[in-house]
Amino acid sequence: QQQVKQSPQSLIVQKGGISIINCAYENTAFDYFPWYQQFPGKGPALLIAIRPDVSEKKEGRFTISFNKSAKQFSLHIMDSQPGDSATYFCAARHSGYALNFGKGTSLLVTP
Amino acid sequence: GAVVSQHPSRVICKSGTSVKIECRSLDFQATTMFWYRQFPKQSLMLMATSNEGSKATYEQGVEKDKFLINHASLTLSTLTVTSAHPEDSSFYICSASERRETNNEQFFGPGTRLTVL
Repeated sequence: QQQVKQSPQSLIVQKGGISIINCAYENTAFDYFPWYQQFPGKGPALLIAIRPDVSEKKEGRFTISFNKSAKQFSLHIMDSQPGDSATYFCAARHSGYALNFGKGTSLLVTP
Repeated sequence: GAVVSQHPSRVICKSGTSVKIECRSLDFQATTMFWYRQFPKQSLMLMATSNEGSKATYEQGVEKDKFLINHASLTLSTLTVTSAHPEDSSFYICSASERRETNNEQFFGPGTRLTVL
C-alpha cells in the first residue's frame, strides 16, 4: 500500500521555468516530509525537508509548500536548470520509523 | 551533511554465491540503519531496519535468511545476500540516522549495484 502518492511520474520543463511536483499522504501521524534528488547510479540526496508546523520552507531555488489540512505537500524548483534533471522522491515519516517514499518523478529540464 | 559510504559500489557474482555489502557512517554515530533495494526506474523499497546491537526488523516479504543484516557497531552495518540468484540483481542502498534527539534525518549511501549472473 503506497502511503505517499507522488505526481507526475515524469515532467519536462524548459530552462528557467518552474518545476512542480506534488505529493499526498494519508497517515496524519507523519511528522517529517523530505524531498530527495537522485541521479542515475547514485544514492538519493536530501534536498529539503519540512515539518508540519510550517506551511512553507525555502532553500535557494527549492521551496516546499505544505498543506496540513489537505495532507499534501509539493516541491517547487524555481529557475530550473539542465543540471536539475534527475529523479525526485518525496517521502514522509513518523518519528522513529523508516521513510515512506513516493514513486518518484523523472524531471528533464531542456536547454 | 553527514556522510555514509558503501562498499563495494559494484559487484558481479555467480549464482549461488554470497555477497556482503558494507555500510558505514563516516562522521557520526548511527543508532539506526536502513537497507533499501531499488529496481530500475522504481522507488526505494525498504527491506529492513537495524538498530545497533539488536536484531534487524524485516519488512513483509523480505526473507531474513536470505538477506542477513548485522549492525555490530554504531558506524557499521552489513547486508549479506546469501545464495544469490539473478532475481536478486538490484541496486542496494543503505541509510543511517544520526544519534541525535532533534532532526533524526536519514543520510543515504551511494548504493551498491549487484549483478548476479
